[in-house]
Amino acid sequence: DVKVTQSSRYLVKRTGEKVFLECVQDMDHENMFWYRQDPGLGLRLIYFSYDVKMKEKGDIPEGYSVSREKKERFSLILESASTNQTSMYLCATVLPNTEAFFGQGTRLTVV
Amino acid sequence: GDSVTQMEGPVTLSEEAFLTINCTYTATGYPSLFWYVQYPGEGLQLLLKATKADDKGSNKGFEATYRKETTSFHLEKGSVQVSDSAVYFCALPSLIQGAQKLVFGQGTRLTINP
Repeated sequence: DVKVTQSSRYLVKRTGEKVFLECVQDMDHENMFWYRQDPGLGLRLIYFSYDVKMKEKGDIPEGYSVSREKKERFSLILESASTNQTSMYLCATVLPNTEAFFGQGTRLTVV
Repeated sequence: GDSVTQMEGPVTLSEEAFLTINCTYTATGYPSLFWYVQYPGEGLQLLLKATKADDKGSNKGFEATYRKETTSFHLEKGSVQVSDSAVYFCALPSLIQGAQKLVFGQGTRLTINP
């Protein structure tokens, strides 16, 4: 089974801090994704990557950046955390035209 | 672009009731279709899928049939249980900028009362 692991289940950070959310997958997949999930809005794509050092903006990239130095690791970076970035963050890897595999999610609270 | 529309929630039912969660889609061609489930405090996991028109996906008593005529993939279960309480997402793959991503509906929160 594919395993996608996010480094933290819960995080509390202060406004203005730089925040790193880490995601590791063990199946050598090329495509990796970061979504945020908010009530009533479903899942919104922040960034995705289809290869090492490659990244593409999703639907809501503002305030975020990503890093993909190794195939198995895809990091989401909040350059200067703000309260409106309080959310659930979900990492996923997807095989072409097949299912996605998700991490357990990181619930981030910015105070 | 490709999109998915789900019935709005939340949905509250009694145990053993019949469940339908509607999902319609807009897409180029005939992509695979998926239902994902998210239990409290967890990430999403695949519930069922269908890869072509008229296919029926099924798992854990849930079913959904790929209907290209009505561009729908409604989720059904004949008798729900308290343990089915979760958020359900309909999804399809979409090719964007040469890479494939999943497009999700907004999710439907289901609560089953004993």
